[in-house]
Parts: sequence; C-alpha cells; structure tokens
Amino acid sequence: EAGVTQSPTHLIKTRGQQATLRCSPISGHTSVYWYQQALGLGLQFLLWYDEGEERNRGNFPPRFSGRQFPNYSSELNVNALELEDSALYLCASSLAGGPVADTQYFGPGTRLTVL
Amino acid sequence: AQSVAQPEDQVNVAEGNPLTVKCTYSVSGNPYLFWYVQYPNRGLQFLLKYITGDNLVKGSYGFEAEFNKSQTSFHLKKPSALVSDSALYFCAVRDMDSNYQLIWGAGTKLIIKP
Repeated sequence: EAGVTQSPTHLIKTRGQQATLRCSPISGHTSVYWYQQALGLGLQFLLWYDEGEERNRGNFPPRFSGRQFPNYSSELNVNALELEDSALYLCASSLAGGPVADTQYFGPGTRLTVL
Repeated sequence: AQSVAQPEDQVNVAEGNPLTVKCTYSVSGNPYLFWYVQYPNRGLQFLLKYITGDNLVKGSYGFEAEFNKSQTSFHLKKPSALVSDSALYFCAVRDMDSNYQLIWGAGTKLIIKP
C-alpha cells in the first residue's frame, strides 16, 4: 500500500513569490494535516482538512492557505513568500480526525527554500 | 491547556545499552499519546501510541513506552540500542481542547555510539 506522497521534493523560490505544495494521502484516509518544520524547531501545526473542509488552523498568517480536493488530496499555498518560510513542510493523513485517536502517517516532506 | 515536554534536547547512549527518551504531558482528561521518529531529511515515522489499556505499549523496531498516569509520563524505551536508532524522536499528545490536534514536543536527538 502506498504511503503519503508529497511533491515536489524540493522547491526554491524568491521572496514575494507564491509556492504550491501537494500531498496525496494514503488510500482510504480522509483527513490531511500540514505541518511546518523550520530548521532546529519542532513541528508547527498549519492546517487540518477533513472531507474537503478546513477543520482547524494553526497560528499562521492568512497567506498560508490550502484546500482539499474530492479525491482527498490536498495542496498548501504560501503567498508573498518570506525568508522565514524556508522550512520542511510535512503532510500527514489519517483515517479520521476528531475525537477518534487515529494515527497520523507522514509523507517525506517538501523542502521549501526562499531566497 | 494541553502540553507535552521532552526535557532532553539530546541523549547519548552506547550501542547495546538500554535507552530511554523522556516525555511528560499535561492534559485535562484521558491522554492519547504518540511517539514518532524522524531520520535526517525524512518525514516522521509512527512508532507507537497509547490510548487505553496496558500501560506498557510495544511498537515498531523493538521500541516500547510506559504510560505512568501518576507521573504524567510516557517515556520511550528500548532494551538494547542500535547505531541505526540514531534519529530525532518526537512525543505528541492529543489535544482534546483544540479540535483534537496533536501537540508536539520539541524533539530529542538520540545518538547511539558504537
């Protein structure tokens, strides 16, 4: 069974540009989570999508946005890129979010570098 | 507010010795606890979780964790460390107050020396 996949592996942008990151969950998983992992820092929760709806959002500015498609894949958009947006962006999926303690399974990440 | 702490930034262990990576938590209700491992430039891999039941949870790669309610701890353990266990380890707790999101510890770097 295929795991969570993310594309691209690496992405290099300049300040002010927009970045789009993509994630395909494990087959059968309906919840998708996005995290930012900056160098030397832990995981910071960005967004949670379930059944096509945004269910929760972390403490990030509105220029971080995303969506979930009918096939449960998801994309993360970062507008007006800033140098401090350089980080590893991780996507995870689970069978269901909410009170059921389903395990989140992670993709390999997209390394975003902003120059 | 729910929280999780990993008090050690780094743990050094000789190969073959037992290892422990510490995690303590603070929750208002029953905790749902998780351990993940991250190898360099890779995503996180799920190791094990505690939801309810036996306090000793067994997971992948020979790891286990002991849930201790009185000490609010969920330490990760392995009887005999391998050099290949060297990685970054994250503990997480389910946040029942914030739409059930995972709250993550800062991570502990485990270094196994041959």
